[in-house]
Amino acid sequence: SQQGEEDPQALSIQEGENATMNCSYKTSINNLQWYRQNSGRGLVHLILIRSNEREKHSGRLRVTLDTSKKSSSLLITASRAADTASYFCATAPNQAGTALIFGKGTTLSVSS
Amino acid sequence: EPEVTQTPSHQVTQMGQEVILRCVPISNHLYFYWYRQILGQKVEFLVSFYNNEISEKSEIFDDQFSVERPDGSNFTLKIRSTKLEDSAMYFCASSELGTNYGYTFGSGTRLTVV
Repeated sequence: SQQGEEDPQALSIQEGENATMNCSYKTSINNLQWYRQNSGRGLVHLILIRSNEREKHSGRLRVTLDTSKKSSSLLITASRAADTASYFCATAPNQAGTALIFGKGTTLSVSS
Repeated sequence: EPEVTQTPSHQVTQMGQEVILRCVPISNHLYFYWYRQILGQKVEFLVSFYNNEISEKSEIFDDQFSVERPDGSNFTLKIRSTKLEDSAMYFCASSELGTNYGYTFGSGTRLTVV
């Protein structure tokens, strides 16, 4: 299976702290994407990192990709209570015409 | 900002009944998808649709499932004979250029089979 597997399953931190979530996958990819899901809502695309990129930033988000280890990490800096949500990585296979495959997600709780 | 719209937001149906879940993707997007998420679990791929035909489907998408784009704007998922285990959130998504870009998801339809 090519699906990403996030680690940890759950993470609880205080406001202002950084949150790091990891994702591992099994086969070669075209890109890897991170999504956020608030409870009971749809998924929101956060950031996409291509297989030839190693690091990408977007606001308080920093994503790294290590294709040799087949892993990615999402860092949220200076977390806020509003960052409380589930975060999913999704892998885009190298083959054309195939869909994103999502991992199980990390549930992040940020307390004020 | 353009949105993917799903209706209804919640549907309760009797086991064995047919349901149709509706989605209006973003107008200039070419790729359409259905995913489902059983409560608290992972997001599972069901089917992708491009150029008016299914481009890929998962093992979950068996003969009881079908998709249609009947009028150039709506994208529907039909479950012919619902089972208790079909209870889940069903998400529609669309993408301008497939997996090379991010997907835009709708807010989902919560399907409850009783």
